[in-house]
Amino acid sequence: RKEVEQDPGPFNVPEGATVAFNCTYSNSASQSFFWYRQDCRKEPKLLMSVYSSGNEDGRFTAQLNRASQYISLLIRDSKLSDSATYLCVVNEGTGRRALTFGSGTRLQVQP
Amino acid sequence: NAGVTQTPKFRILKIGQSMTLQCTQDMNHNYMYWYRQDPGMGLKLIYYSVGAGITDKGEVPNGYNVSRSTTEDFPLRLELAAPSQTSVYFCASSLDLSYNEQFFGPGTRLTVL
Repeated sequence: RKEVEQDPGPFNVPEGATVAFNCTYSNSASQSFFWYRQDCRKEPKLLMSVYSSGNEDGRFTAQLNRASQYISLLIRDSKLSDSATYLCVVNEGTGRRALTFGSGTRLQVQP
Repeated sequence: NAGVTQTPKFRILKIGQSMTLQCTQDMNHNYMYWYRQDPGMGLKLIYYSVGAGITDKGEVPNGYNVSRSTTEDFPLRLELAAPSQTSVYFCASSLDLSYNEQFFGPGTRLTVL
């Protein structure tokens, strides 16, 4: 089983739509969680951290469910500029000194 | 601040050749990382460093070497290039190991023929 799993997509949605991505992780000791955004042929950039209580940043909402070991990202009122690949990233805690990246979910917002 | 810079942007190598991928950061971060990303895949950690003179292996270190003589620079050396090393290589840096944002360079696209 992969350590961090995501649906690769693509998710094709019209402008203005609401879209949600899920990501599951296998290590219950994982301590911190992030969503990164990666545009085509570019480097990943942090979109938002994911906190236990859930957090919101404008049109983006991230949730963490430790019991079921998944995190989610909700994008409301999708814009063309949201088209990108969204990477789920997990810090697996003690003994691991770096982050584990999912393969990403591709989003294509269409006019 | 330039952030994290990488050179070269693109490179084609023949099997068996060697090269060094350069990475420099100007944010005074102690922690630096090298990842590779194969098409349609997530990033895999090759090596990381927690400060000048200290490096350690990541998930996929075979075929690579690193050094960290200064806080700013973290070069990645490929010895005896193989087609399996065709990938995009990203260097990153951060304030700490896992809880803070990692800042990535623009990447080096390497093809081994």
